[in-house]
Amino acid sequence: SQTIHQWPATLVQPVGSPLSLECTVEGTSNPNLYWYRQAAGRGLQLLFYSVGIGQISSEVPQNLSASRPQDRQFILSSKKLLLSDSGFYLCAALAGGGETQYFGPGTRLLVL
Amino acid sequence: QKEVEQNSGPLSVPEGAIASLNCTYSDRGSQSFFWYRQYSGKSPELIMFIYSNGDKEDGRFTAQLNKASQYVSLLIRDSQPSDSATYLCAVNMGGNKLVFGAGTILRVKS
Repeated sequence: SQTIHQWPATLVQPVGSPLSLECTVEGTSNPNLYWYRQAAGRGLQLLFYSVGIGQISSEVPQNLSASRPQDRQFILSSKKLLLSDSGFYLCAALAGGGETQYFGPGTRLLVL
Repeated sequence: QKEVEQNSGPLSVPEGAIASLNCTYSDRGSQSFFWYRQYSGKSPELIMFIYSNGDKEDGRFTAQLNKASQYVSLLIRDSQPSDSATYLCAVNMGGNKLVFGAGTILRVKS
């Protein structure tokens, strides 16, 4: 079975600072990978998804970007954080041939 | 705009009762439906999924799907205090991209 790692677990950053969140997946090859954001008391918003190395689709225009440098590595970045970027960032993976997404433990980001 | 709607709750049920959680979706062509449970401060965990009209049972959980009415529900029998959480309905509206509802807060009182 697959395992999804995310780090850091929590992060407090000032407005205007850069961001890099990392997600790695074990136990599966060539998964679809997803970045979601969950604002306090809200549902999950899909930010980016990737079907393979270097292939990124953006769902919501914003100051965030994503990259997939390796098959099982997915990175979420920003050059300059906004207050509105605060939230719970979740990485999810979908193993080949299936339809079920499984989530990592998440990164809680607070932008001050 | 593809949408998934859930009553935010909280839904309060006594221990041992049946909890009924509901979800409606906008895209008639949706094929697969998922229920996730999310404890406070934690990431969502999959409870079950359903593809076909009718009921699907897994232990104390039953998912019900009615595609004609664009309605999916989750029943939790013999509710326990440990079932207290937010329940997220998610719908695959194409391309293996899920659209999530905002979630229903369930509180099971002992």
